[in-house]
Amino acid sequence: GENVEQHPSTLSVQEGDSAVIKCTYSDSASNYFPWYKQELGKRPQLIIDIRSNVGEKKDQRIAVTLNKTAKHFSLHITETQPEDSAVYFCAASNGQGAQKLVFGQGTRLTINP
Amino acid sequence: DSGVTQTPKHLITATGQRVTLRCSPRSGDLSVYWYQQSLDQGLQFLIQYYNGEERAKGNILERFSAQQFPDLHSELNLSSLELGDSALYFCASSASGTGNQPQHFGDGTRLSIL
Repeated sequence: GENVEQHPSTLSVQEGDSAVIKCTYSDSASNYFPWYKQELGKRPQLIIDIRSNVGEKKDQRIAVTLNKTAKHFSLHITETQPEDSAVYFCAASNGQGAQKLVFGQGTRLTINP
Repeated sequence: DSGVTQTPKHLITATGQRVTLRCSPRSGDLSVYWYQQSLDQGLQFLIQYYNGEERAKGNILERFSAQQFPDLHSELNLSSLELGDSALYFCASSASGTGNQPQHFGDGTRLSIL
C-alpha cells in the first residue's frame, strides 16, 4: 500500500523567513496531494492541494510543488508569521474507487518572533 | 467552521465498554471518512462511506464498525474498548466518493479510556 514519509519532524524559523516541508510517496498511482494545518487541539484544516497533472500551485504565501518522477512534493511558506505555527501534514491518495488519504507523520513548525 | 459536525466532543469511559461516535457531513457531501489520530500512529484512515455504502476500509479493527444512514450522517461504533483506543477520532466529508475531492474535517471526538 501507499506510504508517505514527511521531513523534517520539527522546523523552527525566524518570522519573515521561508519554511519548506518535504514529503515522498511510494505509490506511483497516487494523483492527489493535499496539505493540512493542525493547530493544537483543533481539526486538520485543508490549506492547499495539488493534482498530478500540475507541477506547482500557489495561494498567496503558500505554494506546493510536485515531482512525479521522483515521487516527492513539498510545501513552501514564504514570509512566515507567528500564526503559521502549527503541525502540518501532507497526504496522498490515488482516488481509484475510493479516496483514502495516507498521511505523513507531520511537521511541527514554530515561527520565532 | 468546516460544516462537518461531530458529537460528542469528549468521551470518557472504561475498558471493555462500547461507545458510538456521530458525524454529520457538510451539506451536499455524500462521502464520509473516519480517521483515528493518536500520538504514536499519527492520522490513520479507518473507513469510508459513500451515499450509504461502504467504499473503502483501512486498518480498522474488527471491534470497530461504522455505518452511514439515509440522511447521510454516520456513526462509528467502538466496542470492547482497550486503553490503546484512546485517541482523537475525526470525521471528514467530501462531495463525492472518487475523483479526489477535498476532504473537510470535523472538530473530532476525544476518546479517553480509563
